Amino acid sequence: DQQVKQNSPSLSVQEGRISILNCDYTNSMFDYFLWYKKYPAEGPTFLISISSIKDKNEDGRFTVFLNKSAKHLSLHIVPSQPGDSAVYFCAARGLQGAQKLVFGQGTRLTINP
Amino acid sequence: GAGVSQSPSNKVTEKGKDVELRCDPISGHTALYWYRQSLGQGLEFLIYFQGNSAPDKSGLPSDRFSAERTGGSVSTLTIQRTQQEDSAVYLCASSLGGGRAPDTQYFGPGTRLTVL
Repeated sequence: DQQVKQNSPSLSVQEGRISILNCDYTNSMFDYFLWYKKYPAEGPTFLISISSIKDKNEDGRFTVFLNKSAKHLSLHIVPSQPGDSAVYFCAARGLQGAQKLVFGQGTRLTINP
Repeated sequence: GAGVSQSPSNKVTEKGKDVELRCDPISGHTALYWYRQSLGQGLEFLIYFQGNSAPDKSGLPSDRFSAERTGGSVSTLTIQRTQQEDSAVYLCASSLGGGRAPDTQYFGPGTRLTVL
């Protein structure tokens, strides 16, 4: 039962263009959503988050959009840079107040020069 | 300041042996989490410690898995009688905890476990 899904295992984008990573979830009780970025042989690093009471959160080149009715969120990176090449994980929190995160399978983003 | 550290970084063991994985959280963080990432999969929650409260063990896949957190700091994840399906990267994270929101989790580099 995959409660958080990232249906695209990989994405390739040209440097300078917009990268859009998508994530779908099934449980409406999630109250907080996060994106983590992971380089090989390193742990995931926190990137940006959004509360379920908002529909957009922006931090520099990164913007997360949340569509609660569709149970869908997306991460926009613009402009994309070579250093953005990594695996991006979507995560959700909040079932019955639990602090544990439920992760998607990840999307490998490759930025081409 | 130091981040979350884990040891060993790599562990190769034979099927049936026991292994111990260690996590040193960020100083001052009261919450500690263990996750694992199998090949091609997302991170799977295993166990969560918050201060002196009873841990949330709901993610442990079998009774061969156990974890403890001594003195509210260092944690050890133990896997007894390892099986090949236990092969994965085991990740530890810590956060300030205390019920605050948001409570960002900071991850260590992980321990890659290979069971032959």
